[in-house]
Amino acid sequence: GAVVSQHPSWVICKSGTSVKIECRSLDFQATTMFWYRQFPKQSLMLMATSNEGSKATYEQGVEKDKFLINHASLTLSTLTVTSAHPEDSSFYICSPDPGGRNTGELFFGEGSRLTVL
Amino acid sequence: AQSVAQPEDQVNVAEGNPLTVKCTYSVSGNPYLFWYVQYPNRGLQFLLKYITGDNLVKGSYGFEAEFNKSQTSFHLKKPSALVSDSALYFCAVRDGGTYKYIFGTGTRLKVLA
Repeated sequence: GAVVSQHPSWVICKSGTSVKIECRSLDFQATTMFWYRQFPKQSLMLMATSNEGSKATYEQGVEKDKFLINHASLTLSTLTVTSAHPEDSSFYICSPDPGGRNTGELFFGEGSRLTVL
Repeated sequence: AQSVAQPEDQVNVAEGNPLTVKCTYSVSGNPYLFWYVQYPNRGLQFLLKYITGDNLVKGSYGFEAEFNKSQTSFHLKKPSALVSDSALYFCAVRDGGTYKYIFGTGTRLKVLA
């Protein structure tokens, strides 16, 4: 399977601060990156889809100004949670799409657990 | 609209016994179906998929799944469960026209020693 690096694994921050999560595809180029959010004991909810060099497409109900996504290169995408609040506490998971070598399955980062105090 | 249902929140099975984790789906066209496993505080790992071909699909760690078109099911199975199989399992369907996935709500598998 593909190698995906997501950092940080854990982050605790104060309310009102911003947190950046990085996702790197280490062995392939990803033109598309999916960002998911997972609440405790719940499924993955797609937040947004980013494409390298263009603006991300956000799912309904996801605030684009709160969850800033940057996909500046084919191997790196970042999610910044701006002015974080306790309700933003969650597990965030990235999934780069290998594009042409995609055989259907997704590859996921290890996830980033955000706790906002 | 496409959807995936995992009717069981949790499945308990004794080590060495066969296990089944259920999944049913609803799609408008040909289904692309997947199973993923998630360990605590980790991302999801791919187990197996059905795109086309044989209805019985074999995947990682001894898992297999049977695609049943008439029952619109894609149940995950393993002949002999291990304690290390204890984890959260997600069924997913992929929209054939886009790259979007829809995940089930997950089933927590607990294998008892």
